[in-house]
Amino acid sequence: GAVVSQHPSWVICKSGTSVKIECRSLDFQATTMFWYRQFPKQSLMLMATSNEGSKATYEQGVEKDKFLINHASLTLSTLTVTSAHPEDSSFYICSANGLAGATDTQYFGPGTRLTVL
Amino acid sequence: RKEVEQDPGPFNVPEGATVAFNCTYSNSASQSFFWYRQDCRKEPKLLMSVYSSGNEDGRFTAQLNRASQYISLLIRDSKLSDSATYLCVVKANDYKLSFGAGTTVTVRA
Repeated sequence: GAVVSQHPSWVICKSGTSVKIECRSLDFQATTMFWYRQFPKQSLMLMATSNEGSKATYEQGVEKDKFLINHASLTLSTLTVTSAHPEDSSFYICSANGLAGATDTQYFGPGTRLTVL
Repeated sequence: RKEVEQDPGPFNVPEGATVAFNCTYSNSASQSFFWYRQDCRKEPKLLMSVYSSGNEDGRFTAQLNRASQYISLLIRDSKLSDSATYLCVVKANDYKLSFGAGTTVTVRA
């Protein structure tokens, strides 16, 4: 099946720093990628939809200036958590649809566990 | 009201037992339905899609009731490796997926 990678798999940082997370589709081109966040014992919550070459669409309540998304190519989307604070500590997961958009399946990356001290 | 609601469990069953659980969804316009499996501290992985007529994949059987807006998953002959959190996932008419919080299943020896 399709493979999506994320880097880094985990990161610990100090409060106030910015953290960049990369999401790559390894064996297919992804016109659309999604960024989710999951807090312990809660469901995945969609943060934003990232479209190649255009601005991301953010879900209600997600600050676009805090969570910067760049989808510069058909295989890479990045999420930058700016000025991270302890409440941003969470499991961040990306997923990707295929180029034709015909697939009904989203393939998930392995996730990035962010801990902000 | 949450878009997708699940009984969190946990369902604690012995090996070989049958376990079943449901989820309900609020958007009547939902078009696609899935069960994902998530292991501790890992990403979700697609277990199976759910079709209107119901479908089976090995020991797993999924049912969809559009009138009542609920989806079920049944696991027969449980294995230790079935221990995980099962996520009910619903898609409307765009690519966005709505996730339930998950039902935890623990299969004991």
